[in-house]
Amino acid sequence: KAGVTQTPRYLIKTRGQQVTLSCSPISGHRSVSWYQQTPGQGLQFLFEYFSETQRNKGNFPGRFSGRQFSNSRSEMNVSTLELGDSALYLCASSMSGDYNEQFFGPGTRLTVL
Amino acid sequence: AQKITQTQPGMFVQEKEAVTLDCTYDTSDQSYGLFWYKQPSSGEMIFLIYQGSYDEQNATEGRYSLNFQKARKSANLVISASQLGDSAMYFCAMRENTGANSKLTFGKGITLSVRP
Repeated sequence: KAGVTQTPRYLIKTRGQQVTLSCSPISGHRSVSWYQQTPGQGLQFLFEYFSETQRNKGNFPGRFSGRQFSNSRSEMNVSTLELGDSALYLCASSMSGDYNEQFFGPGTRLTVL
Repeated sequence: AQKITQTQPGMFVQEKEAVTLDCTYDTSDQSYGLFWYKQPSSGEMIFLIYQGSYDEQNATEGRYSLNFQKARKSANLVISASQLGDSAMYFCAMRENTGANSKLTFGKGITLSVRP
């Protein structure tokens, strides 16, 4: 069974640009969660999607948005990039959102110049 | 106040020895879950072990066990018979049952280095 995949793995953008990250969950998983990891703030929850609906949301500005498609693939978008958005973005999938069944992808490392 | 506290900046252990990674948490919920994840240099988070707040026995998964002391609000991870491949960052996390806003909160992590 294929694991969680994230594309691209590495990305370099400049301030003010926007970026879209993609996450393909494990087959059969309907819940996808996104996290931001930085050296200063650690791992922070962004949002969770379940069956194409945002179910939970962390404390991030509206520049961070996401969506989920009918095949459970999810995208995360960050508009008007800031230097502080440089981070490792991790997505995780699970069947129903139970976190002890949550499997993480390898992450997308975003660098904002 | 921090929800999850991991104060050890870095830990070293000799191969084949046991090591304990500390984690304390803060919550007013009666029902919650505690997790440990391993993050190697590749970046992927690997689930290790889970402890529910109502579980009476400490969780164990192979070489991993969780020393759960509810009154002290601690959930330390014990790794027995350390291996070189155990060198990684280790994160403690908590899920509070806050209904629609249930989510995982992570600690800052601990770096473990296993010496041959």
